[in-house]
Order: sequence, then structure tokens, then C-alpha cells
Amino acid sequence: DIVMTQSPDSLAVSLGERATITCKSSQSVLYSSNNKNYLAWYQQKPGQPPKLLISWASTRESGVPDRFSGSGSGTDFTLTISSLQAEDVAVYSCQQYYSTPSTFGQGTKVEIK
Amino acid sequence: EVQLVESGGGLVQPGGSLRLSCAASGFTLGRYWMHWVRQAPGKGLVWVSRINGDGSSTTYADSVKGRFTISRDNAKNTLYLQMNSLRAEDTAVYFCTREMSPADVWGKGTAVTVSS
Repeated sequence: DIVMTQSPDSLAVSLGERATITCKSSQSVLYSSNNKNYLAWYQQKPGQPPKLLISWASTRESGVPDRFSGSGSGTDFTLTISSLQAEDVAVYSCQQYYSTPSTFGQGTKVEIK
Repeated sequence: EVQLVESGGGLVQPGGSLRLSCAASGFTLGRYWMHWVRQAPGKGLVWVSRINGDGSSTTYADSVKGRFTISRDNAKNTLYLQMNSLRAEDTAVYFCTREMSPADVWGKGTAVTVSS
């Protein structure tokens, strides 16, 4: 199974400041035949299910604010919140869907400093 | 509106059984792979099982293989997870999801507690 490791486990950022979360996979999730990274990011608020933010490592879902961006390729990925808002307090998780079983990172809790 | 609604969770003793249901609306269930994902208290998300559109292909996580059975009734727009021989470590919120590449629709989840 592909192991997904996020860092940090938790992060406190001031309102309006940048938050950066990294996700590393134990093997590449880049499919060479289509040059796509099979990597997604989810946001989960307390008591709610995960919400898909970004797919294919960098494609923002419809309705997701543009302060959220994803980058990276192969085994190293980043989720950036460019200007943290109060409503962004949540746990963020990465997921690889390159191979079965699909696996998730342990989650990163983002709080307001 | 595309929606998934899970039900069937509850408190069960170790060794017991539960059947979870996931009612789909707003889309044609049979066109999609469907999955169960679980989340233990304070822990991360863990994929549990998947089933293809017509129910002919199923896959399970090693941790539940031989104990859980996924199935679907497309005519009833419902996905199921039969859970037998439950263990304390199966305690979690169980989510059904549409697809996993990535998971674009999630239900709110149903809580399963395995305890004596």
C-alpha cells in the first residue's frame, strides 16, 4: 500500500497569513501515460464529512475559493491557503487514488493563531 | 441535489453484526463505483471497500476481508455494508462515497461503536 505522510500534524496561522501543508507519498502517484498526479486534498470540519477541494494535485473543484491551491508532482505535494480565513479552520487530508487501496494522509489540523 | 445518506449504525457487542445502508439521490447510482470509508475517533480516513456499478466486482481492505460484505441494489438506489464478527477496532464513523478517483460526494456518515 502507498503510505501518505503529511506535515505538520497541526498548524496555527494568523488570519490573513499563509498556511502550507505538505504531503509525501511512499511511491510516485504520477501516471506516466497521461502525466497526471493521482492526488486529492480534502477539508473536514468538525462533525462533517470530508469535502473535496483539489483533485489531480492542482485542479480546484468548482466553488472552492482561489486562496486554496495545490502543487507538486511524483511523491511531494503541497496545499497552500494563501490568506487564512476563519472559516478555513479544519483538518486537511491528502489522498492518493493511483492504486488500490486508496490511502489518506493522517490529516493536518489548521487553527487560528 | 446529489446526496448520500447513511444509516444503520449503532452500538454492538464484539462479535456482533450490523448492516449499514447508504441511500443515493440526485444521480444514477448504477453508473458509479461506490465506496465505504471509515474514520475512527480522532483518527484519519481509511478506505474500507468498493463495488463496481453492477455489483459484479468488489474489493476489501485487508482489515475487513472475510468479515464485511459490500453490496448494492441499483433499483433501490442503495449501497450496503454487511459487517460481521465486529471488533473494537471497527469502531468508527462510516462514510459512503461516490467514486474514489477522487471521492466527489460523501454522505454525512453513520457511527458504529463496538463495545461490551
